[in-house]
Amino acid sequence: QVQLVESGGGVVQPGRSLRLSCAASGFTFKTYGMHWVRQAPGKGLEWLAFISYDATNKYYADSVKGRFTISRDNSKNTLYLQINSLTTEDTAVYFCAKDPNWEPLYLDDWGQGTLVTVSS
Amino acid sequence: DIQMTQSPSSLSASVGDRVTITCRASQGISNYLAWYQQKPGKVPKLLIYAASTLQSGVPSRFSGSGSGTDFNLTISSLQPEDIATYYCQKYKGVPLTFGGGTKVEIK
Repeated sequence: QVQLVESGGGVVQPGRSLRLSCAASGFTFKTYGMHWVRQAPGKGLEWLAFISYDATNKYYADSVKGRFTISRDNSKNTLYLQINSLTTEDTAVYFCAKDPNWEPLYLDDWGQGTLVTVSS
Repeated sequence: DIQMTQSPSSLSASVGDRVTITCRASQGISNYLAWYQQKPGKVPKLLIYAASTLQSGVPSRFSGSGSGTDFNLTISSLQPEDIATYYCQKYKGVPLTFGGGTKVEIK
């Protein structure tokens, strides 16, 4: 079965950077698009970014464009999210999720999430 | 960008009640709409895609309808395990956008 395991979260100071990882298994990772979504404490879901199966297409929410970078390593079945210049507004649980297609559609499998807390 | 507005933001209903949640898009999105269920402290789960197609394994008491700008998620007979927050999400182009969520509670 599909398994997505995020890692890399933790407590980080404002202005610092962080790289989140998402290890995928149970499906042919290199043939599916992947997403990052976040959820601030007590708030709703916010889509952040999508990367196509071969990394040729990347899309971002306007709110994170220029500061977040999505990438993938198909040889390691791993998805990444680089977050720069962290602010307290970035405090959230970050989920990786699989798309059933090669273009951004919907999210049919989700990881358990990794909590990022931005605090001095 | 297309905005997604859900109503109500919360509701309380009795076990066995028929519950309907509405999602409205600021522009037409054909049937490019998905619904998710997020139980307290859990990960979101895909319920419905293409506005009305039930994801594998989802109970048949859940159904989706609508096209264009107005969509509904209906639970035909509310069960205690349906306590959750429900989100719609449009996927006609990027950015993908979620609605604000509807919290469903048992009366």
